[in-house]
Amino acid sequence: EAGVAQSPRYKIIEKRQSVAFWCNPISGHATLYWYQQILGQGPKLLIQFQNNGVVDDSQLPKDRFSAERLKGVDSTLKIQPAKLEDSAVYLCASSLGYRGFTEAFFGQGTRLTVV
Amino acid sequence: QQQVKQSPQSLIVQKGGISIINCAYENTAFDYFPWYQQFPGKGPALLIAIRPDVSEKKEGRFTISFNKSAKQFSLHIMDSQPGDSATYFCAASNPGYSTLTFGKGTMLLVSP
Repeated sequence: EAGVAQSPRYKIIEKRQSVAFWCNPISGHATLYWYQQILGQGPKLLIQFQNNGVVDDSQLPKDRFSAERLKGVDSTLKIQPAKLEDSAVYLCASSLGYRGFTEAFFGQGTRLTVV
Repeated sequence: QQQVKQSPQSLIVQKGGISIINCAYENTAFDYFPWYQQFPGKGPALLIAIRPDVSEKKEGRFTISFNKSAKQFSLHIMDSQPGDSATYFCAASNPGYSTLTFGKGTMLLVSP
């Protein structure tokens, strides 16, 4: 079974530039998550989709971050404009459902460095 | 604010020893407590998980102990091996939702 695919693996940008990350979840998984993992910390949820609808985006900095999941499959996460504190690994995960606990499978992440 | 507090931050164990990582939570509504293992450059992967209606769950060399009254749970790795060297995260999820609140992680090094 193919895992969660993310691209790019690494990205270096200057502050105030924009950047976008792409995620392809495991086939058949209705729920997709974006997590931010700052060095030395655990992942923090940014946004959760159920199919193409948003379930939880309470921790998404909406003034600069946006995410979409068209057609309920692939997803993109965008940052515009980037700040130094956005340097982190951005992890995409997917699971079969979202009611009750279902195992979330994580991709390898995109490491973003803002200089 | 929902929090999961994890300790220690780092741990060095000799091969064959027991590794113990502890977590404490505040929100009594949490109803699922997984542990994730993360190797450098990889995403976290589910290792073992427990629900609060049981006090212990064992899978191979990995055991979760759960104390509902103390709001604490721990991961025990028996006969630790160098291949277990990784960062371990405890987490918790709310009923009705599958979003995870993670601890800050424990970097485990098993020396040969």
